[in-house]
Amino acid sequence: SAVISQKPSRDICQRGTSLTIQCQVDSQVTMMFWYRQQPGQSLTLIATANQGSEATYESGFVIDKFPISRPNLTFSTLTVSNMSPEDSSIYLCSVDTSGGTEQFFGPGTRLTVL
Amino acid sequence: GDSVTQMEGPVTLSEEAFLTINCTYTATGYPSLFWYVQYPGEGLQLLLKATKADDKGSNKGFEATYRKETTSFHLEKGSVQVSDSAVYFCALSDSSYKLIFGSGTRLLVRP
Repeated sequence: SAVISQKPSRDICQRGTSLTIQCQVDSQVTMMFWYRQQPGQSLTLIATANQGSEATYESGFVIDKFPISRPNLTFSTLTVSNMSPEDSSIYLCSVDTSGGTEQFFGPGTRLTVL
Repeated sequence: GDSVTQMEGPVTLSEEAFLTINCTYTATGYPSLFWYVQYPGEGLQLLLKATKADDKGSNKGFEATYRKETTSFHLEKGSVQVSDSAVYFCALSDSSYKLIFGSGTRLLVRP
């Protein structure tokens, strides 16, 4: 298993600003993922963040809007840039610890954009 | 592309009732299948999983069987409790290990 923490747990931000979300894992993992959960909706994958390579973004998500860093095997950041109210969501990071058979999630960051 | 379809909620049951939440999937390969649960105000937790056809995942009285012939992974529990009230997500993991989620089903169990 893996224990994952995220900072901040929640934030209220103004339109046009940016927020960086941190994800810390208690063990070294190769594969990390960032998801978005819009209010009342399911989870949608934003990008895959593997250490040592550029993040891979899903359709509808771009690096300029959601830049990701992955400096080592226990840490990653997701930045939500130039925010608008439509970015109000819960952002979750997750890690895969067993080759596709188990994925653990952080507690999420609840973002509200005014 | 791969996708997951699960029954719409909310599902409202009385305590000790039998629960079924339907989940079907579309995938080009042989995905692993999961049920995740999100309790009110909490994060997403893995409830159970199955990695190949005919596998049965089970946890906390919940069960689901990986049915390749019907491309299904229905969640069942024989007797629900009020504490089972949550949102349940069916998901699959493709060859790139990323998870594809269904829309989620809210379960409300009344005493």
